[in-house]
Amino acid sequence: DQQVKQNSPSLSVQEGRISILNCDYTNSMFDYFLWYKKYPAEGPTFLISISSIKDKNEDGRFTVFLNKSAKHLSLHIVPSQPGDSAVYFCAASYMAGTALIFGKGTTLSVSS
Amino acid sequence: KAGVTQTPRYLIKTRGQQVTLSCSPISGHRSVSWYQQTPGQGLQFLFEYFSETQRNKGNFPGRFSGRQFSNSRSEMNVSTLELGDSALYLCASSQRPGTGTIGNTIYFGEGSWLTVV
Repeated sequence: DQQVKQNSPSLSVQEGRISILNCDYTNSMFDYFLWYKKYPAEGPTFLISISSIKDKNEDGRFTVFLNKSAKHLSLHIVPSQPGDSAVYFCAASYMAGTALIFGKGTTLSVSS
Repeated sequence: KAGVTQTPRYLIKTRGQQVTLSCSPISGHRSVSWYQQTPGQGLQFLFEYFSETQRNKGNFPGRFSGRQFSNSRSEMNVSTLELGDSALYLCASSQRPGTGTIGNTIYFGEGSWLTVV
C-alpha cells in the first residue's frame, strides 16, 4: 500500500511559468516531508523540506506547502527554467528517523 | 567536499550469484542508508546504519543485508540473486540519524546499477 502518492506521472510547463507538483500521503504519523530532484543516471538531489509544524517553507524559487488536514503537499517552482526538467520525488519520514518513504515521482518538462 | 561515492557503478550478475555493493559517505557523515529503485516499485528503503549498528530495516527479504564499518563506510550484500533484484541501488548519507534536525540533509550517491541475467 503506497503511503506517499504522486498521482501525476508527468507535467509540462513553459519557461517562466509556475510549476506545481503535488503529493498526497496516507500515514498521519509522518512529520517531515522532503522534495528531491533526480536527473537520469544521477542520484536524487535534495531540494527543500518542511516539518509538520509548518505550512509553508521557501527557498529561492522553490516553495513547499503542507496541508495536514488534507494530507497533501505541493512544490511550487517560480519561475520555471529548462534546467528544472527532471523527475521530482516527494518523500516523507518521521523526524527521529532517517528512512524516507518516496512517491513514484513526477517528470517535469520545462520548454523554452 | 567529495560526495557520496558508490562502487561499482555498473555490474551484471547471474541468477543465484551474490553481490556486494560499497558506499563511502561524505566525510564526517556517520549515518548511511540504502535504497532500491525499480521502475515498478520506485524508490524503496532497504536499511539504515549508524555507528556500525542497523537502526532500521525496510520490507525486504533476508537475502538483503548490510553492514557499516568503523570509518562509516558501508556495504550491502544480496545473496541468491533473482531477476527481480535488477535495480539501481542508492546509498545516502547524513551527519546523524533523523531527518528533522536542522542541517542534517540526506545526500545521495549516484547509485550502482545491478543487472541480473
